[in-house]
Amino acid sequence: QSVLTQPPSASGTPGQRVTISCSGSSSNIGSNYLYWYQHLPGTAPKLLIYRNDQRPSGVPDRFSGSKSGTSASLAISGLRSEDEADYYCAAWDDSLSGLLFGGGTKLDVL
Amino acid sequence: EVQLLESGGGLVPPGGSLRLSCAASGFIFSSSAMSWVRQAPGKGLEWVSSISATGGRTFYADSVKGRFTISRDSSKNTLYLQMNSLRGDDTAVYYCGQEIWFENWGQGTLVTVSS
Repeated sequence: QSVLTQPPSASGTPGQRVTISCSGSSSNIGSNYLYWYQHLPGTAPKLLIYRNDQRPSGVPDRFSGSKSGTSASLAISGLRSEDEADYYCAAWDDSLSGLLFGGGTKLDVL
Repeated sequence: EVQLLESGGGLVPPGGSLRLSCAASGFIFSSSAMSWVRQAPGKGLEWVSSISATGGRTFYADSVKGRFTISRDSSKNTLYLQMNSLRGDDTAVYYCGQEIWFENWGQGTLVTVSS
């Protein structure tokens, strides 16, 4: 059971904007950076957002992250078919001294 | 270009042992913390273990603590995960990653624990 809570699924049509939420607590999201990953089946996961809202080079600016208190969100604008993937949030947890992943959100592009 | 290449996965009976390796290139290995994460069939990502850049600090998920050992050899630019007392629920694809936050990922290696 993940301590970081994500909706199991999300969907949108091409061109739409979708958001994926990630909820935690004061020991993880509330006191540490939040990271987002994109995982396409059969491939290695990819870092999408680091330190709450920073994009690694090569990640389109259609992807954006935000954090407030013990919650965070990933927004994808101008949705494209290739965005169909599983998305995970993660944050270090001070109480567990370990990295926590959310349960993952499967994004369908209809 | 950063490259991480895992090896050592395979089929092992319950109670058995396996050592995974992760060969790193394209960055200063001795300056980066390193980590392992796994994904069981049909499940999400689960962090397994991390090790500091110097190797002086290690961290483990409760599910593997006491059974798995993470280590590194900076002379070989290689990260290891020694897995002992393996159980069926350890069956997963294991990925190594650069830094605790997985700045870069390997392609993964499959570990199957079954008799």
